Amino acid sequence: EVQLVESGGGLVQPGGSLRLSCAASGFTFKNSRMHWVRQGPGKGLVWVSRINGDGTTTSYADSVKGRFTISRDNAKNTLYLQMNSLRVEDTAVFFCVVQLRGVVYWGQGTLATVSS
Amino acid sequence: QAVVTQEPSLTVSPGGTVTLTCGSSTGAVTSGHYPYWFQQKPGQAPKTLIYDIINKHSWTPARFSGSLLGGKAALTLSGAQPEDEAEYYCLLSYSDDWVFGGGTKLTVL
Repeated sequence: EVQLVESGGGLVQPGGSLRLSCAASGFTFKNSRMHWVRQGPGKGLVWVSRINGDGTTTSYADSVKGRFTISRDNAKNTLYLQMNSLRVEDTAVFFCVVQLRGVVYWGQGTLATVSS
Repeated sequence: QAVVTQEPSLTVSPGGTVTLTCGSSTGAVTSGHYPYWFQQKPGQAPKTLIYDIINKHSWTPARFSGSLLGGKAALTLSGAQPEDEAEYYCLLSYSDDWVFGGGTKLTVL
């Protein structure tokens, strides 16, 4: 069974940083492209970033480029999202997502709140 | 980045049929966009309903179907049930980057 468990969310002031983690199991993590998707309060889903299986290729939404960094540790089956220079508008639930044989699996999400 | 458009809200009667659509600002939606449809209920993570235009997951009720319609991806619900009231999101791929539609709030009333 595919499982994705996010952690690391919390309350941070504008300009601060957070590091999100996603522990993955139930599939071959090192071979799988991974994504982060966020959802602001009462808002829709927004794709944030992706990384390929060996970590050599990444891509970001324009809204987070230069501030967020996606990475992975295949030895630990863990995906990360380092979020710097956070803004109030970054407040959202962040989902760890994997696409396997066409199907997209979601974690339950972790809430990051940016507020003074 | 591309913009993906969906109807903001739709209403369907119990037992009725409704079609949600998903358009792309770059032109017609094709198989190369690998269209997905997700269902999300309040407080829950999204759940995959349809992938690659027409394919269903094992948990997708038979009353849901996907297609391409008039240059858009479409999700048709035939025989709506009260439990189908939810937010529905489409997803299109653009060279491995994803863009979600704004979502359609479906009311069964």
